[in-house]
Amino acid sequence: AAGVIQSPRHLIKEKRETATLKCYPIPRHDTVYWYQQGPGQDPQFLISFYEKMQSDKGSIPDRFSAQQFSDYHSELNMSSLELGDSALYFCASSPYRGSYEQYFGPGTRLTVT
Amino acid sequence: QKEVEQNSGPLSVPEGAIASLNCTYSDRGSQSFFWYRQYSGKSPELIMSIYSNGDKEDGRFTAQLNKASQYVSLLIRDSQPSDSATYLCAVNQNSGGSNYKLTFGKGTLLTVNP
Repeated sequence: AAGVIQSPRHLIKEKRETATLKCYPIPRHDTVYWYQQGPGQDPQFLISFYEKMQSDKGSIPDRFSAQQFSDYHSELNMSSLELGDSALYFCASSPYRGSYEQYFGPGTRLTVT
Repeated sequence: QKEVEQNSGPLSVPEGAIASLNCTYSDRGSQSFFWYRQYSGKSPELIMSIYSNGDKEDGRFTAQLNKASQYVSLLIRDSQPSDSATYLCAVNQNSGGSNYKLTFGKGTLLTVNP
C-alpha cells in the first residue's frame, strides 16, 4: 500500500538559512498534518491543512510557514533557522475530514549547525 | 500536568510474556485514542485505534478504553524481541478547527528480552 512520502529524508543547514520540507500524502487523503519531534521528545503538532486550506495551528514559530497545493502535497518552509530547530519533522495524512486515524511519513531529519 | 500521561519506563519483559502499557488523559471530551509504535529514529506507526469503552483486539494486541476513568491501555501478548520499541499513546483533540490534532504522551520504552 502507498504510504506518505517525505523529502528530503535528511537535511543539514546552517544557522539563519532556510529549509523547505515536502510531504506527499497517501493517495485520496486530503488532510495533512505536520509534527516536530525533538530528541527524546514526543511529537508536537505544528499545523494542519484540509482541502488546501489551513485548518489548525499549533506551536509553530512565526519563522515557519506551510501550505497545501492543488495536488494535496504540502510544504513546510522554515526561515532563519536556529540550532533548536534541529529535530525530526513528520508529515501525517488522514483519508477524509472527520477520520481520526493519522498515518505518518518517514520523516525529515533536520540538523542545524 | 501534561494532557496525556504515560509511564516512561523502561518496561522490560521476557520473550513470550504479556506487556502492559498504560495511559491517562485529562480532556474528558476526547473521543479517539491511538497507540503508535516508534522504533528509534523512525516514524510513529499506528498499531491500534479505539473509540468506544471496552476492549478491542487485533492479533497479539488488545487496546482497552475506560472513558469514566480517562484511561487507555495496550496489552501485547506473546511479546517478541521485535516488539522492543517506544509505544506512544495519542489522543485526538478538536482544538476548534476542522481537524483533529494528535496529542501524544511521552512514550513508554519497551524492551523484550530473548
